[in-house]
Amino acid sequence: QQQVKQSPQSLIVQKGGISIINCAYENTAFDYFPWYQQFPGKGPALLIAIRPDVSEKKEGRFTISFNKSAKQFSLHIMDSQPGDSATYFCAASLTNTGNQFYFGTGTSLTVIP
Amino acid sequence: KAGVTQTPRYLIKTRGQQVTLSCSPISGHRSVSWYQQTPGQGLQFLFEYFSETQRNKGNFPGRFSGRQFSNSRSEMNVSTLELGDSALYLCASSVDTYNSPLHFGNGTRLTVT
Repeated sequence: QQQVKQSPQSLIVQKGGISIINCAYENTAFDYFPWYQQFPGKGPALLIAIRPDVSEKKEGRFTISFNKSAKQFSLHIMDSQPGDSATYFCAASLTNTGNQFYFGTGTSLTVIP
Repeated sequence: KAGVTQTPRYLIKTRGQQVTLSCSPISGHRSVSWYQQTPGQGLQFLFEYFSETQRNKGNFPGRFSGRQFSNSRSEMNVSTLELGDSALYLCASSVDTYNSPLHFGNGTRLTVT
């Protein structure tokens, strides 16, 4: 059972546009929701993270929106750039399970110049 | 500060063989986790070690095992390799115990023929 469902699988956006990636989770006990960015040949790198007591978190061009009642959270990339072309993973974890994270299946983002 | 180092980067093995992968975490990080990454499945949690003790284990068969040494370095072993074990194996370290960001290495690409 996929605990975190991610969509879309792939996304093509024009330079300067907004990229939106959505995730939904099952377990209401999840209390930490990070997003990771992965470039080919590299391991994932933490992009931004949010806890469920906050509805939105912004860092530069990247924003997480969190809807606790709907059990959904999304990543918005404003003013998308070709350098943002990468695979993005959402994840969720439970405080009392240590560092076990449940990842979405990933979204391949291509930003066209 | 050096990042997470995984060796080797690439491995080709034959069905039935066994393999050992190595991970050196970031200095000062005591938690080491292992993930299997395959296309379409995203990242699947294998296990986590903290202070030489396995704290969490994912839903993988007993052929997958690991250990952590006193210097926090970790190894992962897969015995009786199957074709389906072909994947990118990622190691991640973190500084604290709960909900600390994961810092990933660039992975070991295992191909089983």
